[in-house]
Amino acid sequence: QVQLQESGPGLVKPSGTLSLTCAVSGGSISSSNWWSWVRQPPGKGLEWIGKIYHGGSTNYNPSFKNRVTMSVDKSKNEFSLMLNSVTAADSAVYYCARAMTGDDTPDYWGQGTLVTVSS
Amino acid sequence: DIQMTQSPSSLSASVGDRVTITCRASQDINNYLAWFQQKPGKAPKSLIYAAFFLQSGVPPKFSGSGSGTDFTLTISGLQPEDFATYYCQQYKSYPLTFGGGTKVEI
Repeated sequence: QVQLQESGPGLVKPSGTLSLTCAVSGGSISSSNWWSWVRQPPGKGLEWIGKIYHGGSTNYNPSFKNRVTMSVDKSKNEFSLMLNSVTAADSAVYYCARAMTGDDTPDYWGQGTLVTVSS
Repeated sequence: DIQMTQSPSSLSASVGDRVTITCRASQDINNYLAWFQQKPGKAPKSLIYAAFFLQSGVPPKFSGSGSGTDFTLTISGLQPEDFATYYCQQYKSYPLTFGGGTKVEI
């Protein structure tokens, strides 16, 4: 059973950089799956941020306007999200997820981590 | 971007009821449609992919149908644990997009 666990600061200052890591257990990040980030502002719906493959290929949501960077650390079996120039609008619960092989939609999700952007 | 519109945004139902949630895509997405269940304070749970295939471990009281632009999620025999918010998601093209959610309340 694949498990994902997000970690990172829960508070980020405006104009700063949000950095989160997702640790993968019960499976290899070097599998044929892509690895995704999805966020959910408090009381609102889900927003896809992007995805990364273990080889480093990425696909980002253009709405983040070059603010987002994802990376993979195969030695630690984890992947990461960086979002720079954050504002209060970036305050949300951030989820990492594994995309299915063959169907580009999540099958396993992390529990989520709340990130608040505030001074 | 492909817009996903769910209806209704909320509904009230009773234990034992059968409910249907609709998801409409702004353009043809073939059957690249997934459904998720989310309970308060919890991560989404994947229910259905490719419009009607159940994820492993999901009971068959959940069923999905549709193709093209119009899709439905049906829940038969509602149980207390089924009261949650349900989201659809298209994965036909990028960026992947979700519907606004349907809250199923008692």
